[in-house]
Amino acid sequence: DQQVKQNSPSLSVQEGRISILNCDYTNSMFDYFLWYKKYPAEGPTFLISISSIKDKNEDGRFTVFLNKSAKHLSLHIVPSQPGDSAVYFCASYSAPSAGGTSYGKLTFGQGTILTVHP
Amino acid sequence: GAGVSQSPSNKVTEKGKDVELRCDPISGHTALYWYRQSLGQGLEFLIYFQGNSAPDKSGLPSDRFSAERTGGSVSTLTIQRTQQEDSAVYLCASSLVGDRAYEQYFGPGTRLTVT
Repeated sequence: DQQVKQNSPSLSVQEGRISILNCDYTNSMFDYFLWYKKYPAEGPTFLISISSIKDKNEDGRFTVFLNKSAKHLSLHIVPSQPGDSAVYFCASYSAPSAGGTSYGKLTFGQGTILTVHP
Repeated sequence: GAGVSQSPSNKVTEKGKDVELRCDPISGHTALYWYRQSLGQGLEFLIYFQGNSAPDKSGLPSDRFSAERTGGSVSTLTIQRTQQEDSAVYLCASSLVGDRAYEQYFGPGTRLTVT
């Protein structure tokens, strides 16, 4: 039961162009959606988040869009740089319940390998 | 400051042996998570510790897996009677609690190979 899916295992983009990474989810009860970036032999690093009540969040070259009706989110990188080449994971997050009976945790997609060519 | 550290960075073990993986979280982070990434897969949640609360063990794949967190800091993930399907990169993360608890800081991982 894959609650968060990244259907494109890889993406290749020319430097300076836009990179669009996509993610679909099945559970509408998530509080936040995140994007993490991972270089080889390193742990993932947090990149950008979006609250489930928003439809867009922008941070420099990175913008995340959330389409709740389609249960789809995307990460746009403009302009793409060779240093952006990495594996990108989308993830969903459910905050702990007020009664403390459930725990906040991340549910990750399978990842998309982005390669930005000079 | 220091990030999340994990040891060993690589571990090769024979099938049937027990292994222990260690995680040192960021000082002051009360939440600690274990994930694993198998070849070609995303990160799979294993277990979550938060302060003195009972851990969320819902992601542990079998009773051969266990974890503890001593003194609210260092955590050890133990896999007993390892199997080849346990081969993966085991990642530890820590975070603050509250509004930005989704911002988790990951260690570099331990690559476990079961032969």
